[in-house]
Amino acid sequence: DAKTTQPTSMDCAEGRAANLPCNHSTISGNEYVYWYRQIHSQGPQYIIHGLKNNETNEMASLIITEDRKSSTLILPHATLRDTAVYYCIVRVGSRDDKIIFGKGTRLHILP
Amino acid sequence: EAGVTQFPSHSVIEKGQTVTLRCDPISGHDNLYWYRRVMGKEIKFLLHFVKESKQDESGMPNNRFLAERTGGTYSTLKVQPAELEDSGVYFCASSHIRAGVRNTIYFGEGSWLTVV
Repeated sequence: DAKTTQPTSMDCAEGRAANLPCNHSTISGNEYVYWYRQIHSQGPQYIIHGLKNNETNEMASLIITEDRKSSTLILPHATLRDTAVYYCIVRVGSRDDKIIFGKGTRLHILP
Repeated sequence: EAGVTQFPSHSVIEKGQTVTLRCDPISGHDNLYWYRRVMGKEIKFLLHFVKESKQDESGMPNNRFLAERTGGTYSTLKVQPAELEDSGVYFCASSHIRAGVRNTIYFGEGSWLTVV
Protein backbone atom coordinates (compact mmCIF):
# COMPACT_ATOMS: atom_id res chain seq x y z
CA ASP A 1 0.00 0.00 0.00
CA ALA A 2 1.06 3.56 -0.66
CA LYS A 3 2.61 5.21 2.38
CA THR A 4 1.88 8.79 1.43
CA THR A 5 -1.07 11.17 1.60
CA GLN A 6 -1.68 13.78 -1.08
CA PRO A 7 -4.56 16.13 -1.88
CA THR A 8 -6.83 14.78 -4.55
CA SER A 9 -6.57 17.81 -6.79
CA MET A 10 -5.10 21.30 -7.00
CA ASP A 11 -5.29 24.28 -9.32
CA CYS A 12 -2.49 26.65 -10.19
CA ALA A 13 -2.38 29.66 -12.49
CA GLU A 14 -0.05 29.46 -15.45
CA GLY A 15 3.27 31.13 -14.75
CA ARG A 16 2.93 30.80 -11.00
CA ALA A 17 4.73 28.34 -8.77
CA ALA A 18 2.86 25.11 -8.14
CA ASN A 19 3.41 23.72 -4.67
CA LEU A 20 2.30 20.13 -4.21
CA PRO A 21 2.30 18.79 -0.65
CA CYS A 22 2.81 15.23 0.49
CA ASN A 23 2.59 13.67 3.93
CA HIS A 24 4.70 10.61 4.73
CA SER A 25 4.59 10.48 8.51
CA THR A 26 5.69 6.83 8.70
CA ILE A 27 8.75 7.21 6.51
CA SER A 28 11.74 5.16 7.59
CA GLY A 29 15.25 6.49 7.94
CA ASN A 30 16.47 4.76 4.79
CA GLU A 31 13.51 5.67 2.59
CA TYR A 32 13.73 8.32 -0.07
CA VAL A 33 10.94 10.56 -1.31
CA TYR A 34 10.37 10.21 -5.04
CA TRP A 35 8.07 12.24 -7.26
CA TYR A 36 6.64 11.08 -10.57
CA ARG A 37 3.95 12.50 -12.80
CA GLN A 38 1.67 11.08 -15.43
CA ILE A 39 0.66 13.48 -18.17
CA HIS A 40 -2.65 12.39 -19.66
CA SER A 41 -2.15 8.79 -20.76
CA GLN A 42 1.62 8.79 -21.07
CA GLY A 43 3.95 6.67 -18.98
CA PRO A 44 4.86 7.90 -15.49
CA GLN A 45 7.72 10.37 -15.70
CA TYR A 46 10.40 10.64 -13.03
CA ILE A 47 10.74 14.17 -11.63
CA ILE A 48 13.01 14.24 -8.62
CA HIS A 49 13.92 12.45 -5.41
CA GLY A 50 15.56 13.25 -2.09
CA LEU A 51 16.43 11.87 1.32
CA LYS A 52 16.59 14.77 3.75
CA ASN A 53 18.20 17.69 1.98
CA ASN A 54 16.34 19.93 -0.39
CA GLU A 55 16.92 19.02 -4.01
CA THR A 56 16.61 20.92 -7.27
CA ASN A 57 16.89 19.90 -10.87
CA GLU A 58 15.81 21.29 -14.20
CA MET A 59 12.22 20.25 -13.65
CA ALA A 60 11.44 21.01 -10.04
CA SER A 61 12.53 21.54 -6.46
CA LEU A 62 11.86 19.21 -3.56
CA ILE A 63 11.60 20.55 -0.05
CA ILE A 64 11.65 17.97 2.74
CA THR A 65 10.84 18.99 6.31
CA GLU A 66 13.46 18.47 8.97
CA ASP A 67 11.50 15.64 10.58
CA ARG A 68 11.01 14.12 7.09
CA LYS A 69 7.32 13.59 7.70
CA SER A 70 6.25 15.75 4.82
CA SER A 71 7.58 17.28 1.63
CA THR A 72 6.61 19.74 -1.08
CA LEU A 73 7.26 19.50 -4.78
CA ILE A 74 7.66 22.91 -6.37
CA LEU A 75 7.25 23.60 -10.07
CA PRO A 76 8.66 27.13 -10.21
CA HIS A 77 6.85 28.44 -13.28
CA ALA A 78 3.96 26.18 -14.13
CA THR A 79 2.88 25.86 -17.75
CA LEU A 80 -0.16 24.23 -19.29
CA ARG A 81 2.01 21.23 -20.10
CA ASP A 82 2.47 20.60 -16.38
CA THR A 83 -1.17 19.56 -16.07
CA ALA A 84 -0.86 15.97 -14.85
CA VAL A 85 -1.31 13.59 -11.94
CA TYR A 86 1.61 13.89 -9.54
CA TYR A 87 2.64 10.96 -7.38
CA CYS A 88 4.64 11.19 -4.18
CA ILE A 89 6.27 7.86 -3.34
CA VAL A 90 8.56 6.68 -0.58
CA ARG A 91 10.94 3.83 -1.25
CA VAL A 92 14.31 2.61 -0.22
CA GLY A 93 15.56 2.62 -3.76
CA SER A 94 17.43 -0.61 -3.29
CA ARG A 95 17.89 -3.22 -5.96
CA ASP A 96 14.88 -5.18 -4.77
CA ASP A 97 12.14 -2.70 -4.14
CA LYS A 98 9.41 -1.40 -6.39
CA ILE A 99 7.16 1.63 -6.73
CA ILE A 100 3.72 1.50 -5.20
CA PHE A 101 1.46 4.17 -6.66
CA GLY A 102 -1.28 5.87 -4.70
CA LYS A 103 -3.98 8.11 -6.12
CA GLY A 104 -1.72 11.13 -6.52
CA THR A 105 -2.68 14.78 -6.94
CA ARG A 106 -4.36 15.91 -10.10
CA LEU A 107 -2.82 19.29 -10.88
CA HIS A 108 -4.71 21.62 -13.19
CA ILE A 109 -2.76 24.54 -14.63
CA LEU A 110 -5.20 27.31 -15.47
CA PRO A 111 -4.53 29.74 -18.34
CA GLU B 1 20.29 6.73 -24.73
CA ALA B 2 17.00 5.11 -25.68
CA GLY B 3 14.33 4.91 -23.01
CA VAL B 4 12.10 2.00 -22.15
CA THR B 5 10.27 0.96 -25.30
CA GLN B 6 7.06 -0.99 -25.51
CA PHE B 7 5.28 -2.71 -28.36
CA PRO B 8 2.57 -2.58 -29.52
CA SER B 9 1.42 0.86 -28.46
CA HIS B 10 -2.20 -0.14 -29.02
CA SER B 11 -3.91 -3.47 -29.45
CA VAL B 12 -7.56 -4.40 -29.90
CA ILE B 13 -8.44 -8.08 -29.54
CA GLU B 14 -11.53 -10.14 -29.02
CA LYS B 15 -12.34 -11.84 -25.76
CA GLY B 16 -10.68 -15.23 -25.68
CA GLN B 17 -7.79 -14.29 -27.94
CA THR B 18 -4.16 -14.03 -26.97
CA VAL B 19 -2.02 -10.92 -26.86
CA THR B 20 1.69 -10.59 -26.23
CA LEU B 21 3.17 -7.31 -25.10
CA ARG B 22 6.86 -6.64 -25.40
CA CYS B 23 9.15 -4.41 -23.37
CA ASP B 24 12.73 -3.42 -24.11
CA PRO B 25 14.30 -1.90 -21.00
CA ILE B 26 16.98 0.76 -21.00
CA SER B 27 20.26 -0.85 -22.00
CA GLY B 28 22.09 -2.24 -19.00
CA HIS B 29 19.10 -2.18 -16.69
CA ASP B 30 18.76 -5.49 -14.89
CA ASN B 31 15.56 -4.58 -13.07
CA LEU B 32 12.42 -4.79 -15.17
CA TYR B 33 8.91 -4.15 -13.91
CA TRP B 34 5.41 -4.52 -15.32
CA TYR B 35 2.51 -2.36 -14.14
CA ARG B 36 -0.99 -1.81 -15.43
CA ARG B 37 -3.74 0.72 -15.10
CA VAL B 38 -7.28 -0.26 -15.79
CA MET B 39 -9.96 2.36 -16.38
CA GLY B 40 -10.58 4.55 -13.36
CA LYS B 41 -8.12 2.72 -11.16
CA GLU B 42 -4.66 3.37 -9.81
CA ILE B 43 -1.49 2.13 -11.45
CA LYS B 44 -0.90 -1.35 -10.04
CA PHE B 45 2.31 -3.34 -9.80
CA LEU B 46 2.30 -6.70 -11.59
CA LEU B 47 5.77 -8.16 -11.30
CA HIS B 48 9.49 -7.53 -11.08
CA PHE B 49 12.36 -9.25 -12.85
CA VAL B 50 15.96 -9.11 -11.77
CA LYS B 51 17.76 -10.14 -14.92
CA GLU B 52 15.92 -13.26 -16.05
CA SER B 53 14.56 -14.20 -12.63
CA LYS B 54 11.16 -13.26 -11.25
CA GLN B 55 11.91 -11.36 -8.07
CA ASP B 56 8.33 -10.55 -7.16
CA GLU B 57 5.18 -11.60 -9.00
CA SER B 58 2.75 -10.80 -6.23
CA GLY B 59 0.74 -8.44 -8.41
CA MET B 60 -0.05 -10.85 -11.23
CA PRO B 61 -3.86 -11.07 -11.26
CA ASN B 62 -4.26 -14.71 -12.30
CA ASN B 63 -2.73 -17.51 -14.34
CA ARG B 64 -3.94 -16.04 -17.61
CA PHE B 65 -0.97 -13.71 -17.38
CA LEU B 66 2.51 -15.02 -18.17
CA ALA B 67 5.63 -12.89 -18.10
CA GLU B 68 8.99 -13.97 -19.39
CA ARG B 69 12.41 -12.44 -19.69
CA THR B 70 14.60 -14.99 -21.37
CA GLY B 71 18.23 -13.96 -21.47
CA GLY B 72 17.61 -11.09 -19.11
CA THR B 73 17.08 -8.51 -21.84
CA TYR B 74 13.62 -7.80 -23.22
CA SER B 75 10.47 -9.09 -21.59
CA THR B 76 7.10 -10.26 -22.81
CA LEU B 77 3.76 -10.27 -21.06
CA LYS B 78 1.24 -12.67 -22.52
CA VAL B 79 -2.46 -12.61 -21.74
CA GLN B 80 -4.19 -15.84 -22.69
CA PRO B 81 -7.14 -15.98 -22.97
CA ALA B 82 -7.93 -12.29 -22.71
CA GLU B 83 -11.01 -11.15 -20.80
CA LEU B 84 -12.86 -7.86 -20.95
CA GLU B 85 -11.50 -6.77 -17.55
CA ASP B 86 -7.94 -7.02 -18.88
CA SER B 87 -8.46 -3.84 -20.88
CA GLY B 88 -6.18 -1.04 -19.80
CA VAL B 89 -2.70 0.29 -20.27
CA TYR B 90 0.29 -1.85 -19.42
CA PHE B 91 3.47 -0.06 -18.42
CA CYS B 92 6.95 -1.45 -18.36
CA ALA B 93 9.75 0.11 -16.33
CA SER B 94 13.41 -0.54 -15.69
CA SER B 95 16.28 0.45 -13.43
CA HIS B 96 19.89 -0.34 -12.68
CA ILE B 97 21.05 -2.69 -9.98
CA ARG B 98 23.85 -0.87 -8.25
CA ALA B 99 24.69 -1.45 -4.62
CA GLY B 100 24.60 1.66 -2.48
CA VAL B 101 23.03 3.83 -5.18
CA ARG B 102 19.44 5.02 -5.40
CA ASN B 103 18.08 3.21 -8.41
CA THR B 104 15.60 5.43 -10.18
CA ILE B 105 12.92 3.55 -12.07
CA TYR B 106 12.08 4.77 -15.58
CA PHE B 107 8.84 3.98 -17.36
CA GLY B 108 7.87 3.34 -20.95
CA GLU B 109 4.91 4.95 -22.69
CA GLY B 110 2.71 1.92 -22.22
CA SER B 111 0.81 -0.58 -24.31
CA TRP B 112 -2.92 0.07 -24.55
CA LEU B 113 -4.98 -3.10 -24.60
CA THR B 114 -8.65 -3.13 -25.48
CA VAL B 115 -10.52 -6.43 -25.23
CA VAL B 116 -13.88 -6.45 -26.99
